[in-house]
Amino acid sequence: AQSVTQPDIHITVSEGASLELRCNYSYGATPYLFWYVQSPGQGLQLLLKYFSGDTLVQGIKGFEAEFKRSQSSFNLRKPSVHWSDAAEYFCAVGGNSGYSTLTFGKGTMLLVSP
Amino acid sequence: KAGVTQTPRYLIKTRGQQVTLSCSPISGHRSVSWYQQTPGQGLQFLFEYFSETQRNKGNFPGRFSGRQFSNSRSEMNVSTLELGDSALYLCASSGGRLDEKLFFGSGTQLSVL
Repeated sequence: AQSVTQPDIHITVSEGASLELRCNYSYGATPYLFWYVQSPGQGLQLLLKYFSGDTLVQGIKGFEAEFKRSQSSFNLRKPSVHWSDAAEYFCAVGGNSGYSTLTFGKGTMLLVSP
Repeated sequence: KAGVTQTPRYLIKTRGQQVTLSCSPISGHRSVSWYQQTPGQGLQFLFEYFSETQRNKGNFPGRFSGRQFSNSRSEMNVSTLELGDSALYLCASSGGRLDEKLFFGSGTQLSVL
């Protein structure tokens, strides 16, 4: 069975500092990997996805993620965090059924300090 | 283009009752997926409907059911509500191809008392 681990429940970053959110997955084959963001009271917005090919994936809002098969990781990064980035971030893996049947991690809450 | 619309936004029920949640996908989308979000279990896949047929199903009891209509609108029903069913229920739509991204609604917050 596939699974996703996000080791950090909360992370606090100063505005303007760099950010890295960790994600480890378990899946037997080549996974479909995603990062979503959720603001309070809102649904999920897709930041980026890895399907195949280049292991460094660019997303919206200046985010990027790197797929490392040897480490079963798909960490999310941003070089300079803005206060509006404060939200909860979810890593997810999709199996053979594609994007519609996702297994999510428990999420990382990002707090941005002035 | 309107986004995914879920109604109602909030719902309060008591144990033993049943509830129906509604989801209107983005126009032209034929796939609707449902997810349950709780603080303890996180986000869990319930089921997916495509062209009025259930295409995928998560690991939830039979009390959770759904359907999709010919206009792609979907409903989710939970019978004999339990306290543990309190959650944010999220609906997502896509065109239906396996490589298409999901667009999520804002969810229905269900509280079971």
